[in-house]
Amino acid sequence: NAGVTQTPKFQVLKTGQSMTLQCAQDMNHEYMSWYRQDPGMGLRLIHYSVGAGITDQGEVPNGYNVSRSTTEDFPLRLLSAAPSQTSVYFCASSYSMVLSGGSTDTQYFGPGTRLTVL
Amino acid sequence: GEDVEQSLFLSVREGDSSVINCTYTDSSSTYLYWYKQEPGAGLQLLTYIFSNMDMKQDQRLTVLLNKKDKHLSLRIADTQTGDSAIYFCAESQQGGSQGNLIFGKGTKLSVKP
Repeated sequence: NAGVTQTPKFQVLKTGQSMTLQCAQDMNHEYMSWYRQDPGMGLRLIHYSVGAGITDQGEVPNGYNVSRSTTEDFPLRLLSAAPSQTSVYFCASSYSMVLSGGSTDTQYFGPGTRLTVL
Repeated sequence: GEDVEQSLFLSVREGDSSVINCTYTDSSSTYLYWYKQEPGAGLQLLTYIFSNMDMKQDQRLTVLLNKKDKHLSLRIADTQTGDSAIYFCAESQQGGSQGNLIFGKGTKLSVKP
């Protein structure tokens, strides 16, 4: 298994440009999410999905769109990039919660995409 | 709202024990996690504990949970230079899947030789 993969690893955009950050997992996880990591802010949840066709907003959703047409893929779209979106973006996935606990609840993180908006 | 607090920095000498502390506000938290992030890398799950446990030990790692005070700690015994990283505390109500993870801002651990 490749686990959680993200592309690209690095990206530089100009203000107003659009782009899509890709995230894929091959573990048949139902739950996927996007976080952004900023210095001194820790990780903040942008959007998440509990299964194909279902998405919901997290803590900081503004300026981002997501869709979940397949179990494997969960792309994050920036429609009009702004300098405030300069950050490192992490995608994560996990099994849906069926049991009361255990390793099936843990989230697996991708390696991250470092985005700079000029 | 839900909040997770951590001190931002910790510096120890190689061979000493490190203790990283975390407090959280959500009394309904049922799962608490410790993640490690090395420079330029993603997050790696180190260990987790359920709220009905007081302690969990895994090799050099010991997690202590004081549910009454909503305080979680991670102790790393015999700290090595390879342990230098940022450590994130996270909590969720329903596990990391259908319950979203709330992260602390991370504690940067520096290990001096």
